[in-house]
Amino acid sequence: AQKITQTQPGMFVQEKEAVTLDCTYDTSDPSYGLFWYKQPSSGEMIFLIYQGSYDQQNATEGRYSLNFQKARKSANLVISASQLGDSAMYFCAMREGPGASRGGYNKLIFGAGTRLAVHP
Amino acid sequence: GAGVSQSPRYKVAKRGQDVALRCDPISGHVSLFWYQQALGQGPEFLTYFQNEAQLDKSGLPSDRFFAERPEGSVSTLKIQRTQQEDSAVYLCASSFQGVAEETQYFGPGTRLLVL
Repeated sequence: AQKITQTQPGMFVQEKEAVTLDCTYDTSDPSYGLFWYKQPSSGEMIFLIYQGSYDQQNATEGRYSLNFQKARKSANLVISASQLGDSAMYFCAMREGPGASRGGYNKLIFGAGTRLAVHP
Repeated sequence: GAGVSQSPRYKVAKRGQDVALRCDPISGHVSLFWYQQALGQGPEFLTYFQNEAQLDKSGLPSDRFFAERPEGSVSTLKIQRTQQEDSAVYLCASSFQGVAEETQYFGPGTRLLVL
């Protein structure tokens, strides 16, 4: 069975500093994808970044980057230049399988999350 | 454009009551997912629709849970004879086709409290 592990229940960082949120995963499927979502107190899950298992380069989206280490099965999220508005829960999630284009679909398995607090 | 909307945002039910939770996906999105998020945990998959077809209901915790999407747009998650363990946030997500790298867009969730 697939599994996502986020070992940091809570993290805090000083404003303008960088922070790394850890995520390890377990799957036997060679085709998979990894997502990071942000969940502020309002409850909505906001997509941040995606990394496919066959992607050669680490994904980046603005201040977000994904440190993808396939052999170690880790996909850590790096947030650079933290802002007060970054305070939220962060979830790592995995999609296993080929997706709808090959008869599958994008069911996500989530980790338990990490609560990030950004201090001024 | 409008995102995914869910109603009601909050629902308090007495144990044994039936509840219905509504999800309006982004217009044109083929794929629709329901997730259940217990307090302090990550969301867990409940069920998946491709248009009006329910292709996966493996995550529904019991036969008290029922979901439908009769016209391939709005979806309703119904919970019969609610129990206290059903208390959670119910999240709906949609994506254009549901393909591998495609983003799922989530609604704000319905927070259900069963007393």
